[in-house]
Amino acid sequence: GAVVSQHPSRVICKSGTSVKIECRSLDFQATTMFWYRQFPKQSLMLMATSNEGSKATYEQGVEKDKFLINHASLTLSTLTVTSAHPEDSSFYICSAIPGQVRQPQHFGDGTRLSIL
Amino acid sequence: DQQVKQNSPSLSVQEGRISILNCDYTNSMFDYFLWYKKYPAEGPTFLISISSIKDKNEDGRFTVFLNKSAKHLSLHIVPSQPGDSAVYFCAASEPSGNTPLVFGKGTRLSVIA
Repeated sequence: GAVVSQHPSRVICKSGTSVKIECRSLDFQATTMFWYRQFPKQSLMLMATSNEGSKATYEQGVEKDKFLINHASLTLSTLTVTSAHPEDSSFYICSAIPGQVRQPQHFGDGTRLSIL
Repeated sequence: DQQVKQNSPSLSVQEGRISILNCDYTNSMFDYFLWYKKYPAEGPTFLISISSIKDKNEDGRFTVFLNKSAKHLSLHIVPSQPGDSAVYFCAASEPSGNTPLVFGKGTRLSVIA
């Protein structure tokens, strides 16, 4: 089935560091990928929709200068958390849809980001 | 304002019995509904989906029921197995292209041997 790989799975770094998270679709092309964030005991909250070859669409309240998204190819989207602070600590998950016809999103295994 | 609600944060069921997980939604534009299963420190895994033109979809031990008039869907797992213990998320989306999913808060299912 469709596989989405997310890397790294865990990051621990100092406040002020920028962190890049990669999301790859391994066996399909994804013109659209999504980035979610999950707080403990909460739902997955959509942060942005990443479109190949164009600018990402951010949800209300998500700072686009803080969370930089690049979707340079049909199999790779990156999320960079710039100048991360402790409040950015969270579980970040990406997903992708194989094909244009409406199909279930397939998720990566997530990245646990801890800012000290 | 939550558009997808899972009002039961947790559910315990004995092995072999039926597990019923419920989900309500408020957005009448939703026409595609999915259930995902999630283990700790992993991404959600797709389980089963249903389109609004149907009221039931079955896949092995998993059946999803949709009641459009009540804006309610449920996931039935029969028989429940210990390996089914996980957090289950209900999700929904509107028509037109690759629209993002709106998730409920999840229900933690514990299947007791």
